[in-house]
Order: sequence, then structure tokens, then C-alpha cells
Amino acid sequence: SQTIHQWPATLVQPVGSPLSLECTVEGTSNPNLYWYRQAAGRGLQLLFYSVGIGQISSEVPQNLSASRPQDRQFILSSKKLLLSDSGFYLCAWSQTPYEQYFGPGTRLTVT
Amino acid sequence: GENVEQHPSTLSVQEGDSAVIKCTYSDSASNYFPWYKQELGKRPQLIIDIRSNVGEKKDQRIAVTLNKTAKHFSLHITETQPEDSAVYFCAAIQGAQKLVFGQGTRLTINP
Repeated sequence: SQTIHQWPATLVQPVGSPLSLECTVEGTSNPNLYWYRQAAGRGLQLLFYSVGIGQISSEVPQNLSASRPQDRQFILSSKKLLLSDSGFYLCAWSQTPYEQYFGPGTRLTVT
Repeated sequence: GENVEQHPSTLSVQEGDSAVIKCTYSDSASNYFPWYKQELGKRPQLIIDIRSNVGEKKDQRIAVTLNKTAKHFSLHITETQPEDSAVYFCAAIQGAQKLVFGQGTRLTINP
């Protein structure tokens, strides 16, 4: 069966510091991968998605970037964090164009 | 692009009663509509979905109905239980890869 991992689970970072969040999927090949952000008490904002290695689509222009160096690895990065980057970051995968399954998430607090 | 509106934003029902959450979408080409349940601090979990070639789908106490003409779909939970308390998100697929989410409904089941 398929499993999705995210790390770290929680992170506290100062404003202006860099960020790297990692997501990996097991038990499937060539999945679609997604990064979402959820602000406290809010909905799900799609940040990036990828349909293959090196293929990244950006949904929201901001100080974040994403990379997919391997088939089942998706990385979210920032060179300089803002206070507004705080939130719950969720990675998701899908094998078909339809069902998406979320990872456990990373809770980021920027101080 | 696709736009999804979800109502109500909060819903409180007595245990054992039914709950209904409604969503409308804008893109008539959308053909897949999932519902996610998110408990506090956890990842969203896919609970039921429907494709545009059917009008209703049921799984035990939950059901989803779809009206393609009116471009709306609804989640129905019968015989509600305390563990049904959560935030529920509807979504509609845009293109072949992206889900557009509603704003969420916080459902509270009162004992």
C-alpha cells in the first residue's frame, strides 16, 4: 500500500531564515505531487504541483519554491521566511487524476 | 478557473440528527467532486467522492448528491455521532490535476 511521509512534523523558525520541507511517497511510481498551505482555522491553499521529475507548476507567486529531484520526493523551500509563511504545510499525492491523499503535515511557526 | 463555494461555514446539530453541507462550483467541465474530513490538528482524510456520471453515492451513514445542471453537490451525514465533529471540505477538480477546495464547514455534534 501507499504511504506518504513529511518531515519535520513541527518547525519554529525566525523571520529571514531559510526553509526546507520534505515529502516522500512509498508504494507507487510517477505520482502527481502537491504542496498545500493551511493557515490557522482556514482552508487549503494549493502552492505547487508536479506531474513528474523536474516539472513544477506554481499556483501562488510568493517567496516559496518547490523541487522534485526524484520521482517520489517533493521539496518545499524558501530562502527567507516571512511571518505570513506560518501555517500547516500539507503534501499530497495522487495516482489517478482524481483521488488525492494527504501526508501528516508540517506545522511551521515563523517568529 | 474553477471556483467552489461552501455553506454553511459552521453547523451544529444534535447527536442522532442529520447534517447537510452544500457546495456550488463554477466550471461545468468539472467531473470529480471529493469530500474531506479534517479533525483538529490532523490531515484531511478523503471520506467520499462522486464523479459526474452519477447523481448520488452512499457509504454507510454518509452520502453525496450531485446536480450537474445546477452545478452543486451536497454531503449528507445521517445519525450523527460525536466522532463526526470535524471540519469538512468539498472540492472540485480543475483540468486533470488540480483540486479547488471550498472554504470548509466546522461541524459540531452536540450530545
